[in-house]
Amino acid sequence: DSGVTQTPKHLITATGQRVTLRCSPRSGDLSVYWYQQSLDQGLQFLIQYYNGEERAKGNILERFSAQQFPDLHSELNLSSLELGDSALYFCASSVEAGRTEAFFGQGTRLTVV
Amino acid sequence: DAKTTQPTSMDCAEGRAANLPCNHSTISGNEYVYWYRQIHSQGPQYIIHGLKNNETNEMASLIITEDRKSSTLILPHATLRDTAVYYCIVRVLTNTGNQFYFGTGTSLTVIP
Repeated sequence: DSGVTQTPKHLITATGQRVTLRCSPRSGDLSVYWYQQSLDQGLQFLIQYYNGEERAKGNILERFSAQQFPDLHSELNLSSLELGDSALYFCASSVEAGRTEAFFGQGTRLTVV
Repeated sequence: DAKTTQPTSMDCAEGRAANLPCNHSTISGNEYVYWYRQIHSQGPQYIIHGLKNNETNEMASLIITEDRKSSTLILPHATLRDTAVYYCIVRVLTNTGNQFYFGTGTSLTVIP
């Protein structure tokens, strides 16, 4: 158990819908990362937050957004969902945004039908 | 975006050392090499990281060449539970923060 909690574990929704994925980082960790893993693209970095502020952006679509709240939990919002958004979404956390290891949650499996 | 090159797959006999290579020829001086593994769609698990010197922990050893253009992860006594995809990652430092770029990884199969 990494200490990073993601909910829900599974999510099935229809195209065009909007969903919210939630991540609770390990106690004391200030930095949160979101990753997408689809079958054909491997693990893709989406976005990073540090202590409530966006720190880095990767391959995140404009239909996706994220935020980190004062209690340090984070949410990833996916809207206007398409079939291609079906993937595993992982959250990771680390103590700081610097050169430390990150701990990953078990992921949310999103299926868009 | 990934800046590392790894073999697609490898096999290792149970109980033997597994040596997983990684090339990162464009690594810059302030970038670290990290290794993670992912067991069948579970969340990736941190293994080890290093900058210049060789590193060892309870899971593995990391050997980095002197020119830092390549490294090798060593699992000293591989078990069946070590079957996983192993990712070699170079930690990118930017003005706004740090990001992990995962490559395609090496699928290691430990054979009984």
